[in-house]
Amino acid sequence: GENVGLHLPTLSVQEGDNSIINCAYSNSASDYFIWYKQESGKGPQFIIDIRSNMDKRQGQRVTVLLNKTVKHLSLQIAATQPGDSAVYFCAEGDSGSARQLTFGSGTQLTVLP
Amino acid sequence: DTAVSQTPKYLVTQMGNDKSIKCEQNLGHDTMYWYKQDSKKFLKIMFSYNNKELIINETVPNRFSPKSPDKAHLNLHINSLELGDSAVYFCASSQEGSVGTGSTDTQYFGPGTRLTVL
Repeated sequence: GENVGLHLPTLSVQEGDNSIINCAYSNSASDYFIWYKQESGKGPQFIIDIRSNMDKRQGQRVTVLLNKTVKHLSLQIAATQPGDSAVYFCAEGDSGSARQLTFGSGTQLTVLP
Repeated sequence: DTAVSQTPKYLVTQMGNDKSIKCEQNLGHDTMYWYKQDSKKFLKIMFSYNNKELIINETVPNRFSPKSPDKAHLNLHINSLELGDSAVYFCASSQEGSVGTGSTDTQYFGPGTRLTVL
């Protein structure tokens, strides 16, 4: 399943399928980007990050892709599991700006059995 | 072995009261933050402290006052609480990333404090 960013804040996928969560960022000066997962009743949890000198980074079952030309970031989750159900946030940061993170509005991922 | 902890987890109070939320991190980080998350899950930075010094102070009513007694603690005091202050407040901490290592200024969040103003 795939969402198209802020216009579709919810994404439902079948268990075992791959998920793609998209994010558009606005600040051309942003030089690092972070994906967070927030489960119900908990704080945002770090998933993966990427610096602007990279266009892809892989973690365990997750991959982040960065396209600086169109200011687009995506999070791919392989073999989505029920425990992946959560709200996912992208955040952009500018090392020259007091280390402040700006968060996107979030995407609710629901994994269907 | 909690990394970033907040107390209390829930806070219910009347309008006009003064309340405090406490935050502690045991990660040895040099920077701490307060965020407000509204009912639509939007996360907005409020304050940031680096080594006990205020470095970010977004447009927040002056009824909100952060206090950092030391690097490991950042408390949030709120005077004259209003209905609109109802939200979840998150504390976070980070350590400046090292140049060339690929690390970023990743912020680690606490579990949140749900504030309800009646």
